[in-house]
Amino acid sequence: DAKTTQPNSMESNEEEPVHLPCNHSTISGTDYIHWYRQLPSQGPEYVIHGLTSNVNNRMASLAIAEDRKSSTLILHRATLRDAAVYYCILRDSDNFNKFYFGSGTKLNVKP
Amino acid sequence: DAGVIQSPRHEVTEMGQEVTLRCKPISGHDYLFWYRQTMMRGLELLIYFNNNVPIDDSGMPEDRFSAKMPNASFSTLKIQPSEPRDSAVYFCASQAEPNTQYFGPGTRLTVL
Repeated sequence: DAKTTQPNSMESNEEEPVHLPCNHSTISGTDYIHWYRQLPSQGPEYVIHGLTSNVNNRMASLAIAEDRKSSTLILHRATLRDAAVYYCILRDSDNFNKFYFGSGTKLNVKP
Repeated sequence: DAGVIQSPRHEVTEMGQEVTLRCKPISGHDYLFWYRQTMMRGLELLIYFNNNVPIDDSGMPEDRFSAKMPNASFSTLKIQPSEPRDSAVYFCASQAEPNTQYFGPGTRLTVL
């Protein structure tokens, strides 16, 4: 199973951009990179995913390194509601329905 | 859409008792997943179904755990007999297309 490495925690000020890094040096060519987040006392929710190109949606942007060994989730303007644990996940190319959630990055947003 | 529905939201039971957790997936989703979350082990996939058929149960901890999906709108996760180490938050998730799993609010299980 391809693994991901994320910082345990990060802190941001409200209304400032946040860059959440993820290393996945053993990624295979067909693995998609997914990001989910888990707000306090809730189930995880989908944020964004990508394969090779950078991706944008209403929640965030995903920047993927050219060698695909790392990626960065970008929240353009953090709000207090964005305080959560953010998980970087590689979708298993052998069994694409199995998501392996690591320990994630706990994001704290200060007012 | 009501999203994924789980019941009960909280369950407190005594060691040795049978526990049944319930899940109603989002209508039209043909994949259903059961996860367990603890502080020590994080979020772990226990089992998942496709079109009501169990596809991968390699994450089920032991024979005390069983899961069924009798129809497209209902699934159960049963623990018999329960033990204190089963205390965790159990999440159900459903999926239609390959990239997005929709999680329920979870059931917090405490086994005394």
